[in-house]
Amino acid sequence: ILNVEQSPQSLHVQEGDSTNFTCSFPSSNFYALHWYRWETAKSPEALFVMTLNGDEKKKGRISATLNTKEGYSYLYIKGSQPEDSATYLCALIKAAGNKLTFGGGTRVLVKP
Amino acid sequence: NAGVMQNPRHLVRRRGQEARLRCSPMKGHSHVYWYRQLPEEGLKFMVYLQKENIIDESGMPKERFSAEFPKEGPSILRIQQVVRGDSAAYFCASSPTLNQPQHFGDGTRLSIL
Repeated sequence: ILNVEQSPQSLHVQEGDSTNFTCSFPSSNFYALHWYRWETAKSPEALFVMTLNGDEKKKGRISATLNTKEGYSYLYIKGSQPEDSATYLCALIKAAGNKLTFGGGTRVLVKP
Repeated sequence: NAGVMQNPRHLVRRRGQEARLRCSPMKGHSHVYWYRQLPEEGLKFMVYLQKENIIDESGMPKERFSAEFPKEGPSILRIQQVVRGDSAAYFCASSPTLNQPQHFGDGTRLSIL
C-alpha cells in the first residue's frame, strides 16, 4: 500500500495571512507529484505537476516546492483570500506506475 | 473546448439493479481514469484505460464492477447488482498523456436505496 499523507487535515486561516501545508510520500521510485485544488460542489482542478527534486512552481499566490530525496512537498498560499477556501490534494505517481495515489487532502478555510 | 463530461450527475438505483456511469474525455485526451469517493473518505483510484484497453484496474472491486473505453463513444463504468455500499461519488478524469495533469468531470453521485 502506497501511503501519501497530508497534514494538517484542516486549516483555518485569517484573510490576508499566509499559510502552508505538507504532502509526504515514500521517496523511493518517485516519478511525479500532482497538486489539485477541490472546491466544494466542483471537480478537482490541477494546480501543478512536479517531477524534479528542488522544483518550485508558482501560480498566482499559490506556490509549491518538492523534495524527492526526503519525500515531501509543501504548498504555500500567500495572502489568503476567501476564494482560496478549498481542499488541496496531492497525488503521487511512482516510476513505472500507471496511477495517481491521492493523499487525504488538506481542507483550508479562509475566514474574512 | 468542452471539459470532461460525466452523466448522469445523479443516479438512484435500488439494490440489485445495474448502474451505468458515462464519461466523455476532453477532446484529444486518450487516457481515462475513474475514481471513487466514499462518504467521509478521499479519492481512490479505480481504473485507468486507454482506447479499447484497460491499463490498470488494480483499484476495481473484484466482482460486479467493470469498465470499458470503446473505440467510439464514452467510457462506461458499470456496476452490476448494486449494494448500499456502492453509494458514492464517482469521478472520471482524462489527460493527453500519463505525465500531464488530469482534468476531472463533475462526478456522478450514485445513491442506492
